[in-house]
Amino acid sequence: QVQLVESGGGVVQPGRSLRLSCAASGFSFSNYAMHWVRQAPGKGLEWVAGISYDGTTKYYPDSVKGRFTISRDNSKNTLFLQMNSLRTEDTALYYCAKDDGGKYATMVDYWGQGTLVTVP
Amino acid sequence: QLVLTQSPSASASLGASVRLTCTLSSGHSNYAIAWHQQQPEKGPRFLMKITSDGSHKKGDWIPDRFSGSSSGAERSLTISRLQSEDEADYYCQTWSTDSVVFGGGTKLTVL
Repeated sequence: QVQLVESGGGVVQPGRSLRLSCAASGFSFSNYAMHWVRQAPGKGLEWVAGISYDGTTKYYPDSVKGRFTISRDNSKNTLFLQMNSLRTEDTALYYCAKDDGGKYATMVDYWGQGTLVTVP
Repeated sequence: QLVLTQSPSASASLGASVRLTCTLSSGHSNYAIAWHQQQPEKGPRFLMKITSDGSHKKGDWIPDRFSGSSSGAERSLTISRLQSEDEADYYCQTWSTDSVVFGGGTKLTVL
């Protein structure tokens, strides 16, 4: 059974940094691309980062490019999101999501429960 | 630019059927999409993938009441025999090699 458990959220002041983690289990983590998707309060889903199965390819939307960095440790089945220069508009629930493919982005087929990041 | 368009809201009566649509932007009518359901105060859940020819692949434990179809640039999710727990936000999602795109979501109200 696929499980994705996010951690690391909290309240952080504008301009500061925060690192999110996602512990994965129940599938061969090193075979699949992974993503971070966020949801601001009362808003829809917004994709913020993706990474290939081996960590060699990373992709971001313009809204976070240069500030957010996605990475993974396949030996520990863990996905990370380093968020720098945080802004009030980064306030959201951040979800870890598993991709159905390996190298490039395809459909998300499993979601975590999210970790809340608040930038007052 | 790859964009998905969804109606903001929909409603239908308990026990009835409802069809939600997601439209791909011009030039992208051959793209596959995925549907996700988000019940109130919960994380999203993958429902199914729909390709341009209408074939679909469902997620784990998704009941037969949920089905998908495709016509041109439009991808549809049909929910039959509506139940109260179907009241939720529904998002479509698509992708290119280096990006993931979500539609704005449809809030489904079960009357």
